[in-house]
Amino acid sequence: DTGVSQDPRHKITKRGQNVTFRCDPISEHNRLYWYRQTLGQGPEFLTYFQNEAQLEKSRLLSDRFSAERPKGSFSTLEIQRTEQGDSAMYLCASSRGQSEGYTFGSGTRLTVV
Amino acid sequence: QQQVKQSPQSLIVQKGGISIINCAYENTAFDYFPWYQQFPGKGPALLIAIRPDVSEKKEGRFTISFNKSAKQFSLHIMDSQPGDSATYFCAASMFSGSEKLVFGKGMKLTVNP
Repeated sequence: DTGVSQDPRHKITKRGQNVTFRCDPISEHNRLYWYRQTLGQGPEFLTYFQNEAQLEKSRLLSDRFSAERPKGSFSTLEIQRTEQGDSAMYLCASSRGQSEGYTFGSGTRLTVV
Repeated sequence: QQQVKQSPQSLIVQKGGISIINCAYENTAFDYFPWYQQFPGKGPALLIAIRPDVSEKKEGRFTISFNKSAKQFSLHIMDSQPGDSATYFCAASMFSGSEKLVFGKGMKLTVNP
């Protein structure tokens, strides 16, 4: 499978716990993006990497959220002290450049109880 | 502030009919306008995209029409099929600036057989 892979697909956690999601982009793509999607809404931008450099972060990304892409390959998104409002689908996408569009993964659905 | 407004929120068409989805944007710096298709449990997939130097782009049964002066663009799906039943999102970004996509809220299309 040469698509964008996200793990886990589903995560249920208790409020206050930390969670970490992983994204493996398409290997030749140097750009990697994280988006969040809630029910009935379009994806909202969280952050963007070009290779290992984090080039842009949304104001949605509070200090409880951190993302890394240590070697310019896979990326992790960590949420500390989860809140019920963090319940959403977290989508990862990768691309070679904007002219070619993004390829999204199937997402990680987070439920905070 | 919603920078990309999409309408209608839902649409039901008969097989073989034409589906039309409209989007309006506010930021005149946007110069890249893609449409994404999303099936339940999957990430969005790029359908077709346009830049403002053309007024129309066609790929198979999908056509984007773009009106720069009105700051509007639309997706036309010709000969709609039950397999087209999905949620459709318009989006916008600054091609030579920030690579983040701003999405509309989506439109759920149902094509009846």
